[in-house]
Amino acid sequence: GESVGLHLPTLSVQEGDNSIINCAYSNSASDYFIWYKQESGKGPQFIIDIRSNMDKRQGQRVTVLLNKTVKHLSLQIAATQPGDSAVYFCAEKGIRGNTPLVFGKGTRLSVIA
Amino acid sequence: GAVVSQHPSWVICKSGTSVKIECRSLDFQATTMFWYRQFPKQSLMLMATSNEGSKATYEQGVEKDKFLINHASLTLSTLTVTSAHPEDSSFYICSARVRGFSETQYFGPGTRLLVL
Repeated sequence: GESVGLHLPTLSVQEGDNSIINCAYSNSASDYFIWYKQESGKGPQFIIDIRSNMDKRQGQRVTVLLNKTVKHLSLQIAATQPGDSAVYFCAEKGIRGNTPLVFGKGTRLSVIA
Repeated sequence: GAVVSQHPSWVICKSGTSVKIECRSLDFQATTMFWYRQFPKQSLMLMATSNEGSKATYEQGVEKDKFLINHASLTLSTLTVTSAHPEDSSFYICSARVRGFSETQYFGPGTRLLVL
């Protein structure tokens, strides 16, 4: 079936550098996407979301980019900090209907001090 | 805002017993709640979708008689693992959608279940 996947399962970044986490999705009907951060032993924490009528959205130190042509989603973290170390999941759903989010496999981000 | 709580945060039980996990939306009404389980180093797997006042919809492969879900109010859903066995040991996470908004899901802190 259709699923959301990630290009890189692990990512190591030097403190202060920018991080880019990628996600590919295959469901063309998906028009809402969310990035979550999950620290060890905790539930996923909402980071940022984007609808399909946008190609970029910025938050505090984070930017999500959406390329619908190639069905690609990315999360950019500026000036990565040790506290950013976690597993990051992308999730997607169709905007109509009360369907649940479909999660990707996750990328572990390790920040090297 | 949009805080979801779970209780208990962890539980250890003997094989054959039943365990109830509560999920509450603290500052909003949640028409729909979702239950996920997560194994170590894996992604979240949806178990069921719970709508207030109606029966839960279970994902394929999830036994509804084993994982009882009750969504009695707009702020509370419960998951009961009946006759728990060691293979039921996992991290259980609930999620809720804000009433009137059909997209964003907010997650609880999770409940770690260990069945001996």
